[in-house]
Amino acid sequence: DAGVIQSPRHEVTEMGQEVTLRCKPISGHNSLFWYRQTMMRGLELLIYFNNNVPIDDSGMPEDRFSAKMPNASFSTLKIQPSEPRDSAVYFCASSVPLQRGEQYFGPGTRLTVT
Amino acid sequence: QKEVEQNSGPLSVPEGAIASLNCTYSDRGSQSFFWYRQYSGKSPELIMSIYSNGDKEDGRFTAQLNKASQYVSLLIRDSQPSDSATYLCASSQGGNTPLVFGKGTRLSVIA
Repeated sequence: DAGVIQSPRHEVTEMGQEVTLRCKPISGHNSLFWYRQTMMRGLELLIYFNNNVPIDDSGMPEDRFSAKMPNASFSTLKIQPSEPRDSAVYFCASSVPLQRGEQYFGPGTRLTVT
Repeated sequence: QKEVEQNSGPLSVPEGAIASLNCTYSDRGSQSFFWYRQYSGKSPELIMSIYSNGDKEDGRFTAQLNKASQYVSLLIRDSQPSDSATYLCASSQGGNTPLVFGKGTRLSVIA
């Protein structure tokens, strides 16, 4: 079975540009989580969805960040406009319904904003 | 604020020894606990989950949970150089709720 798929794997962009990160969860998983990892702050939740519905977006740093999940097999995280402090590794994870919360991570997108 | 605390290390152990990794958590509502292994430049990989007090063994790995002390540990027996990685402790309130991660302990197994 394919794991969680993320694209692109690396993204280098200039400050002010729009960035879109993409995620395809494991088939049959109905919860999807977006995390961000930095050296200073570690892994932090940005937003998560259950059955395509956003449940908690309190981790989204500011209005420049938005996320959607139009169907069970696709989610996007958009940053507009991007800033150098957004540079980090962004991970998507998914989990099986009615289980105890084991989450499986995608390979991540390494974002560099110059 | 929900927090998970880990010693950042590095923890160095000789090959074949037992590596002991520890974490504490602040949220008494936490129900599920996980250990992830993360190699440099890679994504976190789930290696152990534990939900009730006591020990849980899987191969060379043993996870221990003490909810009264809000303490979780991971023992790695017969450590191998390939075990050298950062180990992340995480907790959640169970079900499909977010994980709260510690900042990780870097383990180095010396051949």
